[in-house]
Amino acid sequence: DAGVIQSPRHEVTEMGQEVTLRCKPISGHNSLFWYRQTMMRGLELLIYFNNNVPIDDSGMPEDRFSAKMPNASFSTLKIQPSEPRDSAVYFCASRPTQGLNSPLHFGNGTRLTVT
Amino acid sequence: GENVEQHPSTLSVQEGDSAVIKCTYSDSASNYFPWYKQELGKRPQLIIDIRSNVGEKKDQRIAVTLNKTAKHFSLHITETQPEDSAVYFCAASPGTASKLTFGTGTRLQVTL
Repeated sequence: DAGVIQSPRHEVTEMGQEVTLRCKPISGHNSLFWYRQTMMRGLELLIYFNNNVPIDDSGMPEDRFSAKMPNASFSTLKIQPSEPRDSAVYFCASRPTQGLNSPLHFGNGTRLTVT
Repeated sequence: GENVEQHPSTLSVQEGDSAVIKCTYSDSASNYFPWYKQELGKRPQLIIDIRSNVGEKKDQRIAVTLNKTAKHFSLHITETQPEDSAVYFCAASPGTASKLTFGTGTRLQVTL
């Protein structure tokens, strides 16, 4: 299994531009999570999906952020317009929902820099 | 919602010594407690986890203990090695299909 796949690995953009981050979860994992990591705030949960349905988006900072999961193998996190304070590492993670609690598997992250 | 506190934020030990990281959680419904290790520039990776029906779990040099009454759990690393240097995160979850709330992390430095 290739694990959780995120793209791009690095993104540098100017303030005001639209940014789209992509994630492919592990096959068979029907829970998908988007986290943001910064030195100041640590690992923050932005949103998570179960079976492609958004369950909790209370961590999404503001209306500039949106996330979609059109099918079981793909999710996007979009920031429009981007701002310098959005600079962070964005991690996507997945886990199965059935059975006992199971570990969260992280992708390699997307390092976003907004200038 | 769940709130996870983690201490200390930084920890420096000499090679061969033990390291202990402690976490507390607020939601009594939480029943799954994983620990993740994150090396510089890399993704968090699971190193050990414990479920609420168990008080202690060990895997070679690492062990985790859980006290459900007091709502705290700890990571113990024995015979530390330089490659144990990393940031360690604890987390708690109230059940299957639920979100994982992370602590703020502990930066462990193992010195020679």
